[in-house]
Amino acid sequence: EVQLVESGGGLVEPGGSLRLSCAASGFTFSSYPMNWVRQAPGKGLKWVSSITSSSSLIYYADSVKGRFTISRDNAKNSLFLQMNNLRAEDTAVYYCARGIPAAGDFHSWGPGTLVTVSS
Amino acid sequence: QSVLTQPPSVSATPGQKVTISCSGSSSNIGNNFVSWYQQLPGTAPKLLIYDDNKRPSGIPGRFSGSKSGTSATLGITGLQTGDEADYYCVSWDSSLSAVLFGGGTKLTVL
Repeated sequence: EVQLVESGGGLVEPGGSLRLSCAASGFTFSSYPMNWVRQAPGKGLKWVSSITSSSSLIYYADSVKGRFTISRDNAKNSLFLQMNNLRAEDTAVYYCARGIPAAGDFHSWGPGTLVTVSS
Repeated sequence: QSVLTQPPSVSATPGQKVTISCSGSSSNIGNNFVSWYQQLPGTAPKLLIYDDNKRPSGIPGRFSGSKSGTSATLGITGLQTGDEADYYCVSWDSSLSAVLFGGGTKLTVL
């Protein structure tokens, strides 16, 4: 069974940093592209970033470009999102999802981790 | 404001059919696949339709997807109260090199 579990969320002040992790199991992690999607409280889903299986291609939403960095460790079946210079508008539940970004089909999702940016 | 446009809400009664539209452009829906997601309150999204009209295993045949030009449609037949959820369309945008989510449509089953 495919399992994705995010961790690392919490309360951080504006301008601060946070690193999210996503632990994957139940599939060959190194064979799949991975993604981060977020959802602000009471709002819709927004794509954040994607990374191909070998990390050769990386994509970011304009709203996070230059502040967030996606990475992965295939040996540890883990996906990461380093978030710097956080803003109030980054407050959201962050989901990791397995799937091909160019097809938009994210077949598996984690339960999400909440990031709150507030002073 | 989303580049993929969905109606904010739709409603229908149990047993009826409902459709949810998703309008885009040639750089996204017109030349890339569309997926649809269901998000029940307080839960992670679930893939309902991928590659325009394919259903993952476990998704009932009551859910269907179609596409014409730069618009896509999700259809749900035999509505159940358990179908009350938010529904999102998704497509890759070749010009932006970005994944686009529609604004979401809240389905109410009266």
